[in-house]
Amino acid sequence: GAGVSQSPSNKVTEKGKDVELRCDPISGHTALYWYRQSLGQGLEFLIYFQGNSAPDKSGLPSDRFSAERTGGSVSTLTIQRTQQEDSAVYLCASTQQTNRYTFGSGTRLTVV
Amino acid sequence: LAKTTQPISMDSYEGQEVNITCSHNNIATNDYITWYQQFPSQGPRFIIQGYKTKVTNEVASLFIPADRKSSTLSLPRVSLSDTAVYYCLVGDSQAGTALIFGKGTTLSVSS
Repeated sequence: GAGVSQSPSNKVTEKGKDVELRCDPISGHTALYWYRQSLGQGLEFLIYFQGNSAPDKSGLPSDRFSAERTGGSVSTLTIQRTQQEDSAVYLCASTQQTNRYTFGSGTRLTVV
Repeated sequence: LAKTTQPISMDSYEGQEVNITCSHNNIATNDYITWYQQFPSQGPRFIIQGYKTKVTNEVASLFIPADRKSSTLSLPRVSLSDTAVYYCLVGDSQAGTALIFGKGTTLSVSS
């Protein structure tokens, strides 16, 4: 597609439930990143996929967070047993091995 | 990864030139300097990138001194629509690491 697409745009979930967030990167972009942004804060790095290499998971805040990238394209970020502190905007970005990232509009997650 | 330091906030008026300076004292040889802009409820957007000296595009200019320990993003004749958060980042795209975003500089433009 022309840009990075994220879905859903908004998600409200009950504490303790699992959620899946989806990211469709720009076709041909080999690198994909997940960040999250809490209200009024900067972006917090979560995970980075580069081609067929093992992902850099160093930013995942707990073992409740996981992500996969199937076929080198679509990525899914899964949060298990959601907590209120998980409420944030989750942003996905892709790039073709440069520092020029293209971000999606994000998924706003609210845990109630 | 090289850490960056930039002002938390800046205020300006329409029509003025705005310069946002970022410090990156431990920048590595292969690192590039990249600036992003973020409007509320949107993901960050790439503005400009440089390695040394001066880079100019249709949006901004980026000034990088010879020692590369700092950089200055220059926005000519700002308008209300330039109100946003501006992030300065330093990194080597070939190093296999993600860019680390700080809190950025919140620019407020008034009429």
